[in-house]
Amino acid sequence: ELKVEQNPLFLSMQEGKNYTIYCNYSTTSDRLYWYRQDPGKSLESLFVLLSNGAVKQEGRLMASLDTKARLSTLHITAAVHDLSATYFCAAERTYSGGGADGLTFGKGTHLIIQP
Amino acid sequence: DADVTQTPRNRITKTGKRIMLECSQTKGHDRMYWYRQDPGLGLQLIYYSFDVKDINKGEISDGYSVSRQAQAKFSLSLESAIPNQTALYFCATSDTGGGKTQYFGPGTRLLVL
Repeated sequence: ELKVEQNPLFLSMQEGKNYTIYCNYSTTSDRLYWYRQDPGKSLESLFVLLSNGAVKQEGRLMASLDTKARLSTLHITAAVHDLSATYFCAAERTYSGGGADGLTFGKGTHLIIQP
Repeated sequence: DADVTQTPRNRITKTGKRIMLECSQTKGHDRMYWYRQDPGLGLQLIYYSFDVKDINKGEISDGYSVSRQAQAKFSLSLESAIPNQTALYFCATSDTGGGKTQYFGPGTRLLVL
């Protein structure tokens, strides 16, 4: 069974600071996804990481994947208030031959960035 | 217009009632999914479909059923709703193959009294 754990689950930080959200998963998966959810809204895709060592950046957010450690990180640089949201990581269970099914999500990290 | 739409957006029903949630997409994707979100628990996969003839159970399928009426339509039914099915339900779609982004609909907020 694939399990995904995020930490921290809640994070309050000040604008201008840097921080990292961690996402650990329990079994082999080469595909890791990061989503953002604003209150009362749907999920918005941020990053798709498909191989060991993958790194992707968009603005102040950078995501990486270490498949050997079964760890993905989402790093926030010089946080701004607009980045306040809940961030989810999700892993995709894969099978031999490349098959896959739906995503297994972490519980989410509720991020508040204060001016 | 939105690529993934869900109806209704909000629904209140009573215990024991049958209810259907509908999802339509204009992205041309073969794969469609139903998830539920409970506060503090992330999203959990209920059912997924890789094409019209391929439907699979997810991690929490008990009490739910689905129908893939066409490539663009995937509906979720609660045959006899119970209060612990109160949740936010999301439909999602993705292109064929692994490693493809799933695009989520706006969600349906369901309250079972």
